[in-house]
Amino acid sequence: KQEVTQIPAALSVPEGENLVLNCSFTDSAIYNLQWFRQDPGKGLTSLLLIQSSQREQTSGRLNASLDKSSGRSTLYIAASQPGDSATYLCAVRVGNAGNMLTFGGGTRLMVKP
Amino acid sequence: DTGVSQDPRHKITKRGQNVTFRCDPISEHNRLYWYRQTLGQGPEFLTYFQNEAQLEKSRLLSDRFSAERPKGSFSTLEIQRTEQGDSAMYLCASSPEVAGFGYGYTFGSGTRLTVV
Repeated sequence: KQEVTQIPAALSVPEGENLVLNCSFTDSAIYNLQWFRQDPGKGLTSLLLIQSSQREQTSGRLNASLDKSSGRSTLYIAASQPGDSATYLCAVRVGNAGNMLTFGGGTRLMVKP
Repeated sequence: DTGVSQDPRHKITKRGQNVTFRCDPISEHNRLYWYRQTLGQGPEFLTYFQNEAQLEKSRLLSDRFSAERPKGSFSTLEIQRTEQGDSAMYLCASSPEVAGFGYGYTFGSGTRLTVV
């Protein structure tokens, strides 16, 4: 059974700092990995999608990497801003026929002005 | 079509009542998913449809839960005889299906259910 773990569970940083969020998964036979952002009481907003054949994806100040063999992904946020404060979730998809996403518990990020 | 829509946004119900939620996916997406999220946890898979066919159900989906997707468009999730443990955010997502390529999921804003 696929298990996804996110460390740390919570993180507080001053504005402007670069930071890394970690995601690990137990079964390396994934189809893709997706990072999401969730604001309190809201739904999920997709940030980046990495296919299993890819090593990284970038969007603006965000960069996500994937090391499938070691079962790890990182989300790098450059020059953090108070507006980045949210919960960040990673999710892996196993196989194209099986379609469920398995989520980690999330990292709750607070960026202080 | 700007995204996945869910209705209602919030629902408060008394224990034992039935509730129904609706999800309208992105129109060109033929896959639709329901997830449940409790406070401080990541979402957990409930069920998934490809067009109108319900192809997968989680063990979390007890007999009190039923989901439909008539005509392969919108979907409904009904919970009968609600219990306090059903209090959660219910999230709907959709994705297209393209053989050999995994598109990402698009989630709706969710329906927050509170059972009192």
